[in-house]
Amino acid sequence: AQSVTQLGSHVSVSEGALVLLRCNYSSSVPPYLFWYVQYPNQGLQLLLKYTSAATLVKGINGFEAEFKKSETSFHLTKPSAHMSDAAEYFCAVIPGGGGSNYKLTFGKGTLLTVNP
Amino acid sequence: GAVVSQHPSRVICKSGTSVKIECRSLDFQATTMFWYRQFPKQSLMLMATSNEGSKATYEQGVEKDKFLINHASLTLSTLTVTSAHPEDSSFYICSARDAQVGAGELFFGEGSRLTVL
Repeated sequence: AQSVTQLGSHVSVSEGALVLLRCNYSSSVPPYLFWYVQYPNQGLQLLLKYTSAATLVKGINGFEAEFKKSETSFHLTKPSAHMSDAAEYFCAVIPGGGGSNYKLTFGKGTLLTVNP
Repeated sequence: GAVVSQHPSRVICKSGTSVKIECRSLDFQATTMFWYRQFPKQSLMLMATSNEGSKATYEQGVEKDKFLINHASLTLSTLTVTSAHPEDSSFYICSARDAQVGAGELFFGEGSRLTVL
């Protein structure tokens, strides 16, 4: 079964500091990987996705993530945190190749707080 | 990007009543939609996959008679919580796949917060 693990349920950084949110997946076949952001009482917004193309993926709002097969990781980074980045972040996986099954499995989420 | 709209965004109902939540794809056709449930400070749990013109596929442990899903058109799926009880209070989110967009992209609605008194 596909699964995704987010290390750290809460990450706190200072404004302007590097943001690093960790995500590891378990899969025998390279999956599709996603990072979503959720603001309070709202749905999810896609930040970026990996679908077997370039391993370094750039997303919206200055975020990027690198797919590392050897480490089964897909960590999310941003060089300089803004106050507006404070939100819940979810890593998600779809089994390798996607196919007709687009059921996402989500990690437990990481709450990012940004201190002034 | 594509837009998915949910309605209502918030609903409060009495125990024993039924509540319907709508999920619409506004500018694309969605043959498949997904319904998730999210408890406070927790992740999203997939409840069911809704396929246009056919019965929904429910995840293990989800009561299909409790959570009725209808996907009668390519732009609308509905989730009806029947005989709601306080333990059904939760944040329900739908997502839809735009088959015309690149691999694996799902678009999410804004969510519907259900409170059962």
